Amino acid sequence: DAGVTQSPTHLIKTRGQQVTLRCSPKSGHDTVSWYQQALGQGPQFIFQYYEEEERQRGNFPDRFSGHQFPNYSSELNVNALLLGDSALYLCASSLLFHISGKNIQYFGAGTRLSVL
Amino acid sequence: TQLLEQSPQFLSIQEGENLTVYCNSSSVFSSLQWYRQEPGEGPVLLVTVVTGGEVKKLKRLTFQFGDARKDSSLHITAAQPGDTGLYLCAGDPSNTGKLIFGQGTTLQVKP
Repeated sequence: DAGVTQSPTHLIKTRGQQVTLRCSPKSGHDTVSWYQQALGQGPQFIFQYYEEEERQRGNFPDRFSGHQFPNYSSELNVNALLLGDSALYLCASSLLFHISGKNIQYFGAGTRLSVL
Repeated sequence: TQLLEQSPQFLSIQEGENLTVYCNSSSVFSSLQWYRQEPGEGPVLLVTVVTGGEVKKLKRLTFQFGDARKDSSLHITAAQPGDTGLYLCAGDPSNTGKLIFGQGTTLQVKP
C-alpha cells in the first residue's frame, strides 16, 4: 500500500519564479492538506482540498494556490517566490473529517524548496 | 501567539536517561496527536489521545492527556539513540480538519 508520495524531493528556484509541487495521497484517502515547515519548527497549515475544492485556508497570501484532481492527487503552486518561502512543504492525506469523525493525517516526506 | 506551546524546545541527553516533553494550550481540544519526525522525512503519527486523563503507552513512550483536555505530555523511559528526532504535538481546535502544530521539541540522544 503506497503511502503519501511527493515530488520533487528537492527544488532550487530564484526569487520571482513560480513553482509547482505535487502530491499523491494514500490509497483510499480523499482529502489533501498542505503544510509549510521552516527548519526546526512545526508545520504551518496552508490549505486543504476535498472534492477538487479548497475547503480551508491558513494564513498564507494568495501567491499560494492549489488544485486537486479527480484522482485526489493535488498540486501546490507558489508564484513570485520570496526568500522566505524556503522551507519543507508537506502534503498530508486523510479521509474527510466529518465523515471519518477523526483527523488522522498521513504525511509525505516533503519537498525541500530553496529560494535563492 | 502559539496555540500549542511545547517545552522544552531542545533536549540533549545521554542514552538510558528519562525525559518528558510537554504540550500546553489555553484552548480545549477534542483530541491531541503526537508525531515524530526524522531529518528528511515527514511527521509520523505516534498516538492520538482523546479522553481527558487518558494514558497511552507505546513501548518506552507514555502519553498523557490532561483532565481538562488542554495539555498533554510525552514521557520516554531509558531513551535510545533511535529516539532522536523532532517531536510534535498537534490538534484540531475547531474540529474542521485543520491541524495546528506546536513548534516541536528537538531531542538528541547520545550513545
